[in-house]
Amino acid sequence: GQNIDQPTEMTATEGAIVQINCTYQTSGFNGLFWYQQHAGEAPTFLSYNVLDGLEEKGRFSSFLSRSKGYSYLLLKELQMKDSASYLCAVRDGDYKLSFGAGTTVTVRA
Amino acid sequence: GAVVSQHPSRVICKSGTSVKIECRSLDFQATTMFWYRQFPKQSLMLMATSNEGSKATYEQGVEKDKFLINHASLTLSTLTVTSAHPEDSSFYICSASRETGGNQPQHFGDGTRLSIL
Repeated sequence: GQNIDQPTEMTATEGAIVQINCTYQTSGFNGLFWYQQHAGEAPTFLSYNVLDGLEEKGRFSSFLSRSKGYSYLLLKELQMKDSASYLCAVRDGDYKLSFGAGTTVTVRA
Repeated sequence: GAVVSQHPSRVICKSGTSVKIECRSLDFQATTMFWYRQFPKQSLMLMATSNEGSKATYEQGVEKDKFLINHASLTLSTLTVTSAHPEDSSFYICSASRETGGNQPQHFGDGTRLSIL
């Protein structure tokens, strides 16, 4: 099976930066995804990394180190609407996605 | 806009009822779709991989006779929860990808909240 770890909760102030770490151990690797999920809704795609390095997409950036089995999602200029659960998901050698338990981010005014 | 449609969004029914959930890819053909289940405050757990024209592949611990999957066309997969009981109450979500590999993400339907009384 897969082993994907991320913090349970994080709190930050509006306008600040938050970094959500994810470590993983999988059998085969075909990319790492970050999804955002608001309560009661389905996940929405945020970013994808398959090579080492940083991918930037507006206020959101994601980093991957395959040798370390490590990724992070960086959220800049936090807004109240960014309060949600952020899911780290790894695609394995069979192209199946396994999800971490999710990190609940609370943005405070 | 949405690329995967899931219906219905909410079902409330009595114990013993069978419930069918539909998942459609809207503007692409999906030979493979995935069904997940999510309990409150937990992550998504893959239940099965739905393969067009062949049998679904179930994850360990998921009863194939309980959760029937039919992927009859390249744009539609259905999940039927047979003889549902209160412990089957959960959030069921399907996903599909434009292609199996590459950098295409899985896109999720809006989910179906199933409540068995």
